[in-house]
Amino acid sequence: DAKTTQPNSMESNEEEPVHLPCNHSTISGTDYIHWYRQLPSQGPEYVIHGLTSNVNNRMASLAIAEDRKSSTLILHRATLRDAAVYYCILRDFEGYQKVTFGTGTKLQVIP
Amino acid sequence: GAVVSQHPSRVICKSGTSVKIECRSLDFQATTMFWYRQFPKKSLMLMATSNEGSKATYEQGVEKDKFLINHASLTLSTLTVTSAHPEDSSFYICSARDNPNEQFFGPGTRLTVL
Repeated sequence: DAKTTQPNSMESNEEEPVHLPCNHSTISGTDYIHWYRQLPSQGPEYVIHGLTSNVNNRMASLAIAEDRKSSTLILHRATLRDAAVYYCILRDFEGYQKVTFGTGTKLQVIP
Repeated sequence: GAVVSQHPSRVICKSGTSVKIECRSLDFQATTMFWYRQFPKKSLMLMATSNEGSKATYEQGVEKDKFLINHASLTLSTLTVTSAHPEDSSFYICSARDNPNEQFFGPGTRLTVL
């Protein structure tokens, strides 16, 4: 499985934008980049995914490097409810791979 | 997004007893369901993959006789922890998929074995 590398933790001030990086230097051409987040004592929830182009949805934006070896999840205005562990995961284009989690980035939002 | 439920949300049991955890996909049919385990301050660890009507596929190091998985219908999978011991205390999370690119997670079940 192609691996991802994320910082263990990050801090952000409330109402400020947050950029969560992910490195995936061994990504294959058919791998989608998926982001999930896990709030305390809850199951993970889907945030966003993309292949090559940048993506936006109501939760976040995903910026993908031109060589696809890294990506950044962008929360435009962090709120206290965004405090969670964010996981960056690669899945093949058919999506039949099981989702396996790395250590993720624990985001702390400071009021 | 689609909803996955788990029952119970938390359970406390005595050592040596068996515990069953249910995972249901509420508004879609899930041909594949996954079971994860998460210890405090750790990431989720995949335990097994179950396909409706067939035997589950267990990850390396997961005892299939201890963690019994049944996926008898397209909306229900169960995980039974047999002869539970304190080291089995953990947060168990199921996940269900209705199409290749979308995987939805349940809220988790907190198991405490005394």
